[in-house]
Amino acid sequence: DTAVSQTPKYLVTQMGNDKSIKCEQNLGHDTMYWYKQDSKKFLKIMFSYNNKELIINETVPNRFSPKSPDKAHLNLHINSLELGDSAVYFCASSQGPSPLHFGNGTRLTVT
Amino acid sequence: QQPVQSPQAVILREGEDAVINCSSSKALYSVHWYRQKHGEAPVFLMILLKGGEQKGHEKISASFNEKKQQSSLYLTASQLSYSGTYFCGTEIRGGSNYKLTFGKGTLLTVNP
Repeated sequence: DTAVSQTPKYLVTQMGNDKSIKCEQNLGHDTMYWYKQDSKKFLKIMFSYNNKELIINETVPNRFSPKSPDKAHLNLHINSLELGDSAVYFCASSQGPSPLHFGNGTRLTVT
Repeated sequence: QQPVQSPQAVILREGEDAVINCSSSKALYSVHWYRQKHGEAPVFLMILLKGGEQKGHEKISASFNEKKQQSSLYLTASQLSYSGTYFCGTEIRGGSNYKLTFGKGTLLTVNP
């Protein structure tokens, strides 16, 4: 039933580790996004994919690599995690230029 | 290109009204409004398009001044359920490479 689902909901890991976050949407949307929300609640776009093609890549360290196996899935892999990567990561989807539907977020804590 | 929201925070008593503003230095194609409750995902409230009309959703409405590149969100007769952080998201151009850039948010607290 869930429109945009992310896993895991919580992720606690140590500096230097590699982790992945998965996202799936069942809305039939053609565009998916990753947003990062920091401790001050600032929502910043990281990546955007349209039909599996990367169309927006904001100034994000190369340690972050998105992958979209199909238009319903967008995963985020993070290498060599740093303390500053701690945040809530939201996946979202839309049908072109339409309202975003957000997943419930993944709270990443790097210790 | 990040829109500027004001105020940063507002505290209301139930039944009072509030206005949240969002402005951009760039020409806007659309403005979105979202509400995020603590620990939850942002939820879409409404969208205002360039050349479009003022939108409304129950006691929450919004306007878009294209000349000033400003949008305002109006909450009337506030309810406890209105508490949360309100974000405006702005789109600078339509068509491909659709991207919403969010303001820093306005924390609204409605007390009994």
